[in-house]
Amino acid sequence: KAGVTQTPRYLIKTRGQQVTLSCSPISGHRSVSWYQQTPGQGLQFLFEYFSETQRNKGNFPGRFSGRQFSNSRSEMNVSTLELGDSALYLCASSLAVPSQDTQYFGPGTRLTVL
Amino acid sequence: DQQVKQNSPSLSVQEGRISILNCDYTNSMFDYFLWYKKYPAEGPTFLISISSIKDKNEDGRFTVFLNKSAKHLSLHIVPSQPGDSAVYFCAASKRGSTLGRLYFGRGTQLTVWP
Repeated sequence: KAGVTQTPRYLIKTRGQQVTLSCSPISGHRSVSWYQQTPGQGLQFLFEYFSETQRNKGNFPGRFSGRQFSNSRSEMNVSTLELGDSALYLCASSLAVPSQDTQYFGPGTRLTVL
Repeated sequence: DQQVKQNSPSLSVQEGRISILNCDYTNSMFDYFLWYKKYPAEGPTFLISISSIKDKNEDGRFTVFLNKSAKHLSLHIVPSQPGDSAVYFCAASKRGSTLGRLYFGRGTQLTVWP
């Protein structure tokens, strides 16, 4: 069974631009969560989707948004990019909601903002 | 507010010896704990988990111990191998919560030297 896939793997943008990252969960998984990892900060929770509904949101500004499609694929969007948005963005999927089931992570998208 | 803490940013162990990675949490509502391993440029890989109804769980060379009264868990790797060199993240959640999500520590870099 294929794992979680994320596209693109690497991305370079400039300040003020916007970016869309994509995540395809493991087949059959209905929950997708997004995390941001920056040096020394561990994994910071962005949001969680289950059956196309955002169930939980972390403490990030409104520039960060996401959505989930009927096939469980998810996208996250960051508008008006700032230098501090440079990070590894990780997507994780689980069969059920994360509180009920183990999350499996994709390889991440490395975003660099210049 | 860091509800899951890994106070040792790094650990160096000789091959064949035991590696002990520690994790503390502050929220007594957490009832499910996980360890993930992460190599550079890859997403975290699930290693082992433990429910709060247990105090120990083993899987091959990996054993997780949970001390609920101390709000402390540890991951033991025996024997340690050079391939175990990675960043290890501790995570916690409140199972059964409809708003459940994973809370991560900041990680411990394990280096296993020959």
